[in-house]
Amino acid sequence: NAGVTQTPKFQVLKTGQSMTLQCAQDMNHEYMSWYRQDPGMGLRLIHYSVGAGITDQGEVPNGYNVSRSTTEDFPLRLLSAAPSQTSVYFCASKKPRGVNEKLFFGSGTQLSVL
Amino acid sequence: GESVGLHLPTLSVQEGDNSIINCAYSNSASDYFIWYKQESGKGPQFIIDIRSNMDKRQGQRVTVLLNKTVKHLSLQIAATQPGDSAVYFCAENSNTGKLIFGQGTTLQVKP
Repeated sequence: NAGVTQTPKFQVLKTGQSMTLQCAQDMNHEYMSWYRQDPGMGLRLIHYSVGAGITDQGEVPNGYNVSRSTTEDFPLRLLSAAPSQTSVYFCASKKPRGVNEKLFFGSGTQLSVL
Repeated sequence: GESVGLHLPTLSVQEGDNSIINCAYSNSASDYFIWYKQESGKGPQFIIDIRSNMDKRQGQRVTVLLNKTVKHLSLQIAATQPGDSAVYFCAENSNTGKLIFGQGTTLQVKP
């Protein structure tokens, strides 16, 4: 198993550009989520999904869109990048609550918006 | 509101000593807690977890203690090694089903 795979590892955008951060997992996890990590602020939940076709907002959803068309993939879209979105982004997945609640993380995408 | 916090942003210990990293949580309804380790440039890695019906759980060189009375969680690392240098996060799984993370404690191991 590859676990949780994120691409790209690094990305530089100009303000106003759009892009999609990719996330895929091969563990048949129903739950997937996106976090952003900023210095001194820990990990903050952006969006999450409890299964294909279902998504919901986390703590800091503004400026981001997600979709979940398959169990394996959970892309994060920035429609119009802003400097405030400069951060490290982590995708994570787990089995549903009550079965196995540990989150498995990808290796992250470092995004800089100029 | 929900919050999870760690008492100290940085902890410096001598190699071979025991380390204790603390965490306070505010949601008394939380029933599951996890400790993660994050090395520079990598994603968080699971260390150990504990459910609210337990007070203590031991792993290899690590022990997690849960005090529900004061809503406090701690991670103890025995015989700390240079490879233990990292940022450590506690997280709680509240009754909303989402994991909420603390801000992290940086553990520095001096040779």
